[in-house]
Amino acid sequence: DGGITQSPKYLFRKEGQNVTLSCEQNLNHDAMYWYRQDPGQGLRLIYYSQIVNDFQKGDIAEGYSVSREKKESFPLTVTSAQKNPTAFYLCASSMTSGDDFQETQYFGPGTRLLVL
Amino acid sequence: GIQVEQSPPDLILQEGANSTLRCNFSDSVNNLQWFHQNPWGQLINLFYIPSGTKQNGRLSATTVATERYSLLYISSSQTTDSGVYFCAVGFNDYKLSFGAGTTVTVRA
Repeated sequence: DGGITQSPKYLFRKEGQNVTLSCEQNLNHDAMYWYRQDPGQGLRLIYYSQIVNDFQKGDIAEGYSVSREKKESFPLTVTSAQKNPTAFYLCASSMTSGDDFQETQYFGPGTRLLVL
Repeated sequence: GIQVEQSPPDLILQEGANSTLRCNFSDSVNNLQWFHQNPWGQLINLFYIPSGTKQNGRLSATTVATERYSLLYISSSQTTDSGVYFCAVGFNDYKLSFGAGTTVTVRA
């Protein structure tokens, strides 16, 4: 089945620890995105990538890092510099098709990160 | 960035009722999407609708881009319609700005 997978479903982080969230897609999409969702709020963009080996900061990139070495994979690292990392993290992907920017985003099931 | 306001923030419906959710945005857009987030957190894309009207079963959406708003209609609501509905917009970019959502609770 085509889709987006995220792992783990739940992740616990100790103080001062870096953790990496996995996102994989087999939809052959060029663009991938990471969002953060806090309780009762909308999604905020952390990082996005429109092509392999290139990515851009979103609205709340501080304390996070990403890589895009393969088209299928866009892992997110939550570093110790992120002081309030407890949240629900969602990965998405979409096609990129020219200049009209008219492409639907598809989401993975999410990872819940909790700080111990 | 583009500001997105959704109303109402919460909506409680009796099963079978109809409802309208609204999304206002602060600037021109050429990308507007409606999503439904189920109680387990999964987001499902409902509509890609930067302008015009679309229908999919009991759901329909209308965007009036010149007046900077979009409406999502739910007809004959069912308990499975419960969840959070998000409007997200973009302009000349693939990234989206999300509203805070409308939480819909459908009671049997």
